[in-house]
Amino acid sequence: EVQLVESGGGVVEPGGSLRLSCSASGFNFRTFSMNWVRQAPGRALEWIATVGLTPNYKTYRDSLKDRFSISRDDARNLVFLQINSLREDDSGKYYCTKDFGSVWGQGILVTVAS
Amino acid sequence: EIVLTQSPGTLSLSPGETATLSCRASETLKKNYLAWYQQKPGQAPRLLVYGASNRATGVADRFSASGSGTDFTLTITSLAPEDSALYFCQQHDSSLFTFGPGTRVEI
Repeated sequence: EVQLVESGGGVVEPGGSLRLSCSASGFNFRTFSMNWVRQAPGRALEWIATVGLTPNYKTYRDSLKDRFSISRDDARNLVFLQINSLREDDSGKYYCTKDFGSVWGQGILVTVAS
Repeated sequence: EIVLTQSPGTLSLSPGETATLSCRASETLKKNYLAWYQQKPGQAPRLLVYGASNRATGVADRFSASGSGTDFTLTITSLAPEDSALYFCQQHDSSLFTFGPGTRVEI
């Protein structure tokens, strides 16, 4: 069974940093691009970033690229999202997705509050 | 950035009726890489359609989709209570993916 499981969320103060992880199983991980998508409460989905098959292929939403960094570890079937200088409007559920979005994790909650 | 606009914002229908959801792109999707997702409260989105008109595995044939270029449609026939959800379109034609704002379907 194809599965994505996110971890690393929680409550963090404004200005802090967080590293989200996504563990993939059930498919040949190294042959698929991976993404992070987020959703603030009651809001639409927002694509954050994609990491391709080669280590250097990464694309980001323009408004987020200065604070967000996506990476992958093909040896451990993991994809990461590093978020720096967190702001209150970064709060929401963060999803890991496979290729364009054919499979989604259950999401992990990030709350930025003092 | 390709902007996706969805209409209507909310659709209130009765069981057995047909829902027609629209998604319009600000630029032509040259590869028609347009997907539709269903999201129920507290759940992750679920892929319904990819490539503008291809149903994902396990999706009921009451769900159908069409369109090309800038105009795309998701049609749900014989609506059932369990179809109540948010429906999003997404383009991955560009390397910068975008989602539409969603249409809420109430049965």
